Amino acid sequence: AQSVTQLGSHVSVSEGALVLLRCNYSSSVPPYLFWYVQYPNQGLQLLLKYTSAATLVKGINGFEAEFKKSETSFHLTKPSAHMSDAAEYFCAVTFGNEKLTFGTGTRLTIIP
Amino acid sequence: DTAVSQTPKYLVTQMGNDKSIKCEQNLGHDTMYWYKQDSKKFLKIMFSYNNKELIINETVPNRFSPKSPDKAHLNLHINSLELGDSAVYFCASSQWWDTPYEQYFGPGTRLTVT
Repeated sequence: AQSVTQLGSHVSVSEGALVLLRCNYSSSVPPYLFWYVQYPNQGLQLLLKYTSAATLVKGINGFEAEFKKSETSFHLTKPSAHMSDAAEYFCAVTFGNEKLTFGTGTRLTIIP
Repeated sequence: DTAVSQTPKYLVTQMGNDKSIKCEQNLGHDTMYWYKQDSKKFLKIMFSYNNKELIINETVPNRFSPKSPDKAHLNLHINSLELGDSAVYFCASSQWWDTPYEQYFGPGTRLTVT
């Protein structure tokens, strides 16, 4: 069965510092991987997606993620955190025309 | 020009009542989903419809009944509401067999059962 694990339910970084949110997946076949962001009291917005075209994926708001098959990872990074990045981030996996399986989420707090 | 819309945004009701949540998408997609987000923010699929046919039905109580009158709409009816049904319900849509199977989400409906 497909699954994703997000390490760290809460991550705090200083404004301007590197953001690193971790996601590992479990799969026996090539997955499609996504990062979604949820701002307070809002729906989910797609940040970026991995579809096997390129291992380094760039998304919106300066975020990027790298697919590493050897490590079964798809960590999300941003070089310099901004106060507006404070939100809940979800990693998700699918293998096609079916459900998205979400990780448990990581709450990102930005320290001024 | 909202892509995926849900009504109502907030729903407060008492135990035992029956309520419905509506979802509409104007993206031309043929597949729609219902997800439940619990108080710990955990998101889990409930149902999925493709071209008005049910294709995913996770372990959800029979009190929950989805209905898809057409490809652009997927409604969720809940009978005999219980305290444990309190959650945020998200509707989503995608296009079947269209990589990368990206799903677009609505703004959510926060259901509170008292």
